[in-house]
Amino acid sequence: GESVGLHLPTLSVQEGDNSIINCAYSNSASDYFIWYKQESGKGPQFIIDIRSNMDKRQGQRVTVLLNKTVKHLSLQIAATQPGDSAVYFCAEISGGSNYKLTFGKGTLLTVNP
Amino acid sequence: KAGVTQTPRYLIKTRGQQVTLSCSPISGHRSVSWYQQTPGQGLQFLFEYFSETQRNKGNFPGRFSGRQFSNSRSEMNVSTLELGDSALYLCASSAGQGAGQPQHFGDGTRLSIL
Repeated sequence: GESVGLHLPTLSVQEGDNSIINCAYSNSASDYFIWYKQESGKGPQFIIDIRSNMDKRQGQRVTVLLNKTVKHLSLQIAATQPGDSAVYFCAEISGGSNYKLTFGKGTLLTVNP
Repeated sequence: KAGVTQTPRYLIKTRGQQVTLSCSPISGHRSVSWYQQTPGQGLQFLFEYFSETQRNKGNFPGRFSGRQFSNSRSEMNVSTLELGDSALYLCASSAGQGAGQPQHFGDGTRLSIL
């Protein structure tokens, strides 16, 4: 596969453990946030999203937490599996039709069997 | 339902040439956005097209352009290629306009400039 980034923050966990991936966003006016997963050689895949009027949202094995006070977003993955190994990106969106969309640099998650 | 399809998957060009990349969105999706991904800059938004009109634009020079056809398929063109244009170019589609909804990405076109 191909690397999607160099010098990425990395997180290494054991299979079955919970993972927490963090993201600091920059714009206090951002009102929509998305987490993406990108496997080697593939495009980003939508995982979960959250709007700024919420502070927590749960999906299947994933939870996103939003702390607007400190402009921090986290993605929690329960019972991490080898198939979860990938680069995870957060994206922040602000504005209406002329929106501004900014991606974080990504975190490389490695799950050890 | 077929996903977002990008062609070609790989492309090699030389400086000064131009290139056209193609994207077919998910059936029924009318918005197509383009992104550039590089190791140094990460994912950067290029532009969004909806109903054949460019609706939003990132911070890229005019050498980067695009268009959308009546069937929602989109093409991106880069003229006068530079070494720094080497990147993975990703296309994403969504049902409606704007970033306020999940976008579905293709697997990209890897462009290498020699």
